[in-house]
Amino acid sequence: DIVMTQSPDSLAVSLGERATINCQSSQSILYRTNNKNYLAWYQQKPGQPPKVLIYWGSTRESGVPERISGSGSGTDFTLTISSLQAEDVAVYYCQQYYNTPPTFGQGTKLEIK
Amino acid sequence: QVQLVQSGSELKQPGASVKVSCKASGYTFTTYDIIWVRQAPGQGLEWMGWINTNTGKPTYAQGFTGRFVFSLDTSVSTAYLEISSLKTEDTAVYFCARDQRYYDYWGQGTLVTVSS
Repeated sequence: DIVMTQSPDSLAVSLGERATINCQSSQSILYRTNNKNYLAWYQQKPGQPPKVLIYWGSTRESGVPERISGSGSGTDFTLTISSLQAEDVAVYYCQQYYNTPPTFGQGTKLEIK
Repeated sequence: QVQLVQSGSELKQPGASVKVSCKASGYTFTTYDIIWVRQAPGQGLEWMGWINTNTGKPTYAQGFTGRFVFSLDTSVSTAYLEISSLKTEDTAVYFCARDQRYYDYWGQGTLVTVSS
C-alpha cells in the first residue's frame, strides 16, 4: 500500500497569514502517460463529512476559494491557504488514488493562532 | 443537485448486525461507483472498499472482509453497508461517497455505536 505522510500534524496560523500543509507519498503517484498526479486534498470540519478541495494534485474543485491551492508532483505535495480565514479551521487530509487501496494521510489540524 | 443521504445513528449490542443505507439523488446512480469510509472517534479516514454500481460487484479493503458486506438496490438508487457480529471497535462514523477516483460527494455520515 502507498503510505501518505502529512506534516505537520497540527498548525496554528494567524488570520490573514499563509498556511502550508505538506503531504509525502511512499512512491510516486504521477502517472506519466497522462502527466497527472493522482492526489486529492479534503477539508473536514467537526461533525461534517470531508469536502474535496483539490484533485489531480492542483485542480481546484468548483466553489473552492482561490486562496486555496495545491502544488507538487511525484511524491511531494503542498496545500496552501494564502490568507487564512476563520472558516478555514478544519482538519485537512491528502489522499492518493493512484493505486488500490486508495490511502489517506493522517490529517493536519489547522487552527487560528 | 447531487446528494447522498445516509440513514440515522444506530446503537447496537456486541454480536448484533447493522445495515446502513446511502440514498443517491441528482444523478444517474449507475454512472459512478460508491465507496465506503470509516472514521473511528477522533481518528482519520479509512477506506473500506467500493461497489460497482453497474455490476454490484463489491471490493473490500484488507481488514474489511468477512463481516462487512456492500450491496445495492438500483431501483431506489441506494447502496448499503451491512456489518455483522458487531464488536466495540466497530464504533465509528461510516461515510459513503461518490467515486470519481477522488470523492466529490459524500453522505453526511452514520454513527454506529456498539456498546453493551
